[in-house]
Amino acid sequence: GENVEQHPSTLSVQEGDSAVIKCTYSDSASNYFPWYKQELGKRPQLIIDIRSNVGEKKDQRIAVTLNKTAKHFSLHITETQPEDSAVYFCAANGDKLSFGAGTTVTVRA
Amino acid sequence: GAGVSQTPSNKVTEKGKYVELRCDPISGHTALYWYRQSLGQGPEFLIYFQGTGAADDSGLPNDRFFAVRPEGSVSTLKIQRTERGDSAVYLCASSSASGRIGGELFFGEGSRLTVL
Repeated sequence: GENVEQHPSTLSVQEGDSAVIKCTYSDSASNYFPWYKQELGKRPQLIIDIRSNVGEKKDQRIAVTLNKTAKHFSLHITETQPEDSAVYFCAANGDKLSFGAGTTVTVRA
Repeated sequence: GAGVSQTPSNKVTEKGKYVELRCDPISGHTALYWYRQSLGQGPEFLIYFQGTGAADDSGLPNDRFFAVRPEGSVSTLKIQRTERGDSAVYLCASSSASGRIGGELFFGEGSRLTVL
């Protein structure tokens, strides 16, 4: 089955700086790579996703890049704001959607 | 209509008891997933339904866990002879896309299970 690894596990950034989270996956047949944001005590919510026929996708301050050859994908958040503080999960759809262990992002004011 | 609804939101039970957790997905979503999330961890896959059938139940940890979706809508996760290690938040999610195609999962608020 699919194995998704995510790092770092925690990330602290100064407000206005960028944050980068990296994930690797094992199943070369995976073709869909979403990122979810989970605030404390809340449900995970999709923030951006990318399919394997695209190398990069951007939505305002958030971007995701995908390297199919290396089987890794990354989330980039620019101009971080306090409301970006949350746990972020990457995922990949091998035969089912499998999640990474999460990255706790803290944005320091 | 409304989003994914899960009941109960909190369940405290004693070791050895039987528990049922219910999920009401978004109307029309054919795909339904159950995940388990422990503190500080990512959602751990349990089972995936496409329609009424379990397309993949490889994540169920043992035969104490069972899930049904008899009419292709509401699903119930059943846990027999609960153990303290079953304590976690059980998340349900639904999607209009099948697993291999991939699409947004809409999560419920979760059912927090505590086994004493």
